[in-house]
Amino acid sequence: AQTVTQSQPEMSVQEAETVTLSCTYDTSENNYYLFWYKQPPSRQMILVIRQEAYKQQNATENRFSVNFQKAAKSFSLKISDSQLGDTAMYFCLYGAGSYQLTFGKGTKLSVIP
Amino acid sequence: DGGITQSPKYLFRKEGQNVTLSCEQNLNHDAMYWYRQDPGQGLRLIYYSQIVNDFQKGDIAEGYSVSREKKESFPLTVTSAQKNPTAFYLCASSPRGPPNTGELFFGEGSRLTVL
Repeated sequence: AQTVTQSQPEMSVQEAETVTLSCTYDTSENNYYLFWYKQPPSRQMILVIRQEAYKQQNATENRFSVNFQKAAKSFSLKISDSQLGDTAMYFCLYGAGSYQLTFGKGTKLSVIP
Repeated sequence: DGGITQSPKYLFRKEGQNVTLSCEQNLNHDAMYWYRQDPGQGLRLIYYSQIVNDFQKGDIAEGYSVSREKKESFPLTVTSAQKNPTAFYLCASSPRGPPNTGELFFGEGSRLTVL
């Protein structure tokens, strides 16, 4: 089975600063997808950003961007201009097809005013 | 609006009782999943279903049962055999075929507390 490792259980960042959350994974697949999900205190899981492994260009969504290093099997999330609403648990998800879906254990991010 | 509906949002159960958590989706997705979330554990897969009348055990299926009689519905029963059922339960779905990105769509979750 694939493994996904988020090495930072908790992180904090000052409002308006930039923070990077790390994720590494283990796979023998060549085609797969990677996702970052956000779970705010409401506990609703929200998709933040996705990356297809066959794409070399790093995905970006407004203040959120990824640094995808396929050879290193690394998929970090950068949040720029952090806002109080970014306070949440962040989960990295590896997917190969519909059914090979593996979550990391999450990083709790606190944005400090 | 398309989405996934879980009910109830909060549920209390006495020890020895079975309880059923409901999950309904109107996204026309073939695949549905049940996850359990505990503090510090991330999300762990209980069961998943790829198609009606078929389902597979996940990593922590013991003490749980599911059914998939309709495409839209994937209820989870927490049986008395589940030794530590107090947890937050999330239902999710994903499309089966192209454009299959593997993206999961989640319900709002159900919090089960055993008294």
